[in-house]
Amino acid sequence: QVQLVQSGAEVKKPGASVRVSCKPSGYSFTDYSIHWVRQAPGQGLEWVGWINPNSGGTNYAQKFQGRVTMTRDTSINTAYMELSRLTSDDTAVYYCARILFYYDTGSDALDIWGQGTLVTVSS
Amino acid sequence: QSVMTQPPSVSGAPGQRVTISCTGSGSNIGAGYDVNWYQQVPGTAPQLLIYGNTNRPSGVPDRFSGSKSATSASLAITGLQAEDEADYYCQSYDSGLSGFVFGTGTRVTVL
Repeated sequence: QVQLVQSGAEVKKPGASVRVSCKPSGYSFTDYSIHWVRQAPGQGLEWVGWINPNSGGTNYAQKFQGRVTMTRDTSINTAYMELSRLTSDDTAVYYCARILFYYDTGSDALDIWGQGTLVTVSS
Repeated sequence: QSVMTQPPSVSGAPGQRVTISCTGSGSNIGAGYDVNWYQQVPGTAPQLLIYGNTNRPSGVPDRFSGSKSATSASLAITGLQAEDEADYYCQSYDSGLSGFVFGTGTRVTVL
């Protein structure tokens, strides 16, 4: 069964950093890029960025550049997203998702999602 | 603030047809980038519903269909069912932002 399993909920103080992990199973970790998407309480989805687990290459949304770092550890097949200088606006559920390329249409989409990790920023 | 706009809510009776619009611009949908749609039942992770503008992944009922034209896209749900109550998001790529973008989201209510 293809799935992404994320780490548990976190509570952080303003100014701190948080690292969320995402561990795929049921497929080869290095074959598909991992995207990160967040959702603040009662709000919509917001794209954070992606990492290519094979090369380690990354692309971050402009809004988060300088504050987000995505890494991976191929020895344990795990991807990470670290967000620094947290504020209350960063309180959200953070999702990792696999990007799948559909050869029949030449398009790609986020086909498998993790269960989400709630990050709460509060003093 | 999202660069792709959706109506906040749509509703319909069981069995009816509803449509959700996704209005973009020349840097995303209008630039030829594909649109995907996701369904999110509150409290759960989003699920892929439509990819490449019009295609359904395996397991998605054919009651769901997508279309795209110019700078907008639409999702149609025919034969509305109670289980279709959820939030729906369009998603594309934006060349100005050099990344993925999501629509503002639409809550579908089955009356």
